[in-house]
Amino acid sequence: RKEVEQDPGPFNVPEGATVAFNCTYSNSASQSFFWYRQDCRKEPKLLMSVYSSGNEDGRFTAQLNRASQYISLLIRDSKLSDSATYLCVVHSGNTGKLIFGQGTTLQVKP
Amino acid sequence: GAGVSQTPSNKVTEKGKYVELRCDPISGHTALYWYRQSLGQGPEFLIYFQGTGAADDSGLPNDRFFAVRPEGSVSTLKIQRTERGDSAVYLCASSMGTGVGEQFFGPGTRLTVL
Repeated sequence: RKEVEQDPGPFNVPEGATVAFNCTYSNSASQSFFWYRQDCRKEPKLLMSVYSSGNEDGRFTAQLNRASQYISLLIRDSKLSDSATYLCVVHSGNTGKLIFGQGTTLQVKP
Repeated sequence: GAGVSQTPSNKVTEKGKYVELRCDPISGHTALYWYRQSLGQGPEFLIYFQGTGAADDSGLPNDRFFAVRPEGSVSTLKIQRTERGDSAVYLCASSMGTGVGEQFFGPGTRLTVL
């Protein structure tokens, strides 16, 4: 079983739609959680950190449920420019090592 | 300022050859990481440097893979006796300090082993 599991999709949605991605992680000792965005043939870039209290950045909302070891990302009012792969990322231990999920591909269509 | 840079951007080699991949981190970043990303997968951790020393090399798949960072800045990932299964994008990232902090990724080196 992978340490971080995501549905690879693709998710095909129209502009303006709300879309949610989910992710589960297996290591209950994991300490920090992130969503990274990766455009086609580009490097991953940090989208947002994820906290138990939930956090929001404009149209993006991330949530962490430690009891269920579950992380989510909600995108409201989807834009064409949101089309990308969204990587669920977990940090464990004290070495800075990040564990990435497979990524979920989002395609926003006009 | 300048981001993480990696050279070459593409490398094609033959099975059995030796390759070196270079990473130049963001100036002042003490932590440096190597990841490998295969098609359709997320990046997979290989090794982490704090300064000049490898603090965690648990992700290196076997002894054909080796990385150095002799002066605590530029790092080189070395792969001996390359195999077709080594074909992937090799990503380098850097961050300030230790532990958890945003990791800034370079554009990667696309390695193809024929």
